[in-house]
Amino acid sequence: DAGITQSPRHKVTETGTPVTLRCHQTENHRYMYWYRQDPGHGLRLIHYSYGVKDTDKGEVSDGYSVSRSKTEDFLLTLESATSSQTSVYFCAISEEAYGYTFGSGTRLTVV
Amino acid sequence: GNSVTQMEGPVTLSEEAFLTINCTYTATGYPSLFWYVQYPGEGLQLLLKATKADDKGSNKGFEATYRKETTSFHLEKGSVQVSDSAVYFCALKRGSGSARQLTFGSGTQLTVLP
Repeated sequence: DAGITQSPRHKVTETGTPVTLRCHQTENHRYMYWYRQDPGHGLRLIHYSYGVKDTDKGEVSDGYSVSRSKTEDFLLTLESATSSQTSVYFCAISEEAYGYTFGSGTRLTVV
Repeated sequence: GNSVTQMEGPVTLSEEAFLTINCTYTATGYPSLFWYVQYPGEGLQLLLKATKADDKGSNKGFEATYRKETTSFHLEKGSVQVSDSAVYFCALKRGSGSARQLTFGSGTQLTVLP
């Protein structure tokens, strides 16, 4: 496998609580990304990172923050979860090659 | 900005039928184009890619040709199998360095019946 793991795989949380999703890679790739997948929208970029402590916003970044203190870990935090953040979240990594490698996803339900 | 438009699904075919999933894009310059496939409960996997005009990407019997004149990258397969049932995403990449991001279409669900 490509050496990218997401945790947890499934999570149910209550509205207003903080949630952190973790993406871990063993490939030493420079670029890491967080996407959310929703019916009818495909995948939309939340945040991405181009190096340790170097991150930037994607098209749907409101309500999310990220951190990358080590090359191998990219954390996505929902400071105060809302029902609109119920989704499947995918992490991806890439290096100089054109394609991405995706994790298996985290299914998050906010009730 | 960049955008990708895919034909809406779901698409249901019988085994051995011919498959076409349409994809058109809007982007400045010369993006790289991709097809990704997502099997149930899994992440996306790269199916094929093309990096310049007139390139043909191919893999596992699937093909797509980068047509700059029509800004299209349609996915085709001559004879689908039940195991091809999945969601297919067209995507483009523009930029380099810190701007290297994929933009996805909304996905097309394909179901192949035996």
